[in-house]
Amino acid sequence: DAGITQSPRHKVTETGTPVTLRCHQTENHRYMYWYRQDPGHGLRLIHYSYGVKDTDKGEVSDGYSVSRSKTEDFLLTLESATSSQTSVYFCAISERPGQGMGRLEQYFGPGTRLTVT
Amino acid sequence: KQEVTQIPAALSVPEGENLVLNCSFTDSAIYNLQWFRQDPGKGLTSLLLIQSSQREQTSGRLNASLDKSSGRSTLYIAASQPGDSATYLCAVNSGGATNKLIFGTGTLLAVQP
Repeated sequence: DAGITQSPRHKVTETGTPVTLRCHQTENHRYMYWYRQDPGHGLRLIHYSYGVKDTDKGEVSDGYSVSRSKTEDFLLTLESATSSQTSVYFCAISERPGQGMGRLEQYFGPGTRLTVT
Repeated sequence: KQEVTQIPAALSVPEGENLVLNCSFTDSAIYNLQWFRQDPGKGLTSLLLIQSSQREQTSGRLNASLDKSSGRSTLYIAASQPGDSATYLCAVNSGGATNKLIFGTGTLLAVQP
């Protein structure tokens, strides 16, 4: 299994409070991703990173920000949590493409269940 | 905009049966397609990845096929077992090197002993 951990694994917070979720990898993969999973919507990409300090928006980025100061850590911040951000959040990693782009398989962490009350 | 659909949403079969899960996508310009398994309350486990230039990939009792021109992929599970019970997700990479995946909503499989 790819070495990906997420913390915390469960969190309950109140509307309006800031929340930071952490993803940590030991694989030295270049690409890291944050997804959210909701019933009826499947997984949707929030933000991704293609290197230290290099990030970009995904499909559902409003209300979220990210930071990556080290290869191994990718942080997702909810600046002011809302009930609509209650979800399960998954981090994923992917290899840096080499010659021929490689397989680009994505590996996922165990998830963080966030409840905003 | 790429959209990924999985049919059926849920499937229940008796143990030992061979089964097919379907995945369709609207834009055939994909880089690769990945099948995942998700157990309740757990993360996603990668099962198979098919590059756009490939027709199929096999791993044990699993075989995934890809027909880009028709926008379809199938996951074939041979001789199903109760331990195969899980949600199966397909995801399409249309973004090349950035590998941004678009997911279907999954098929919930129950294999009855």
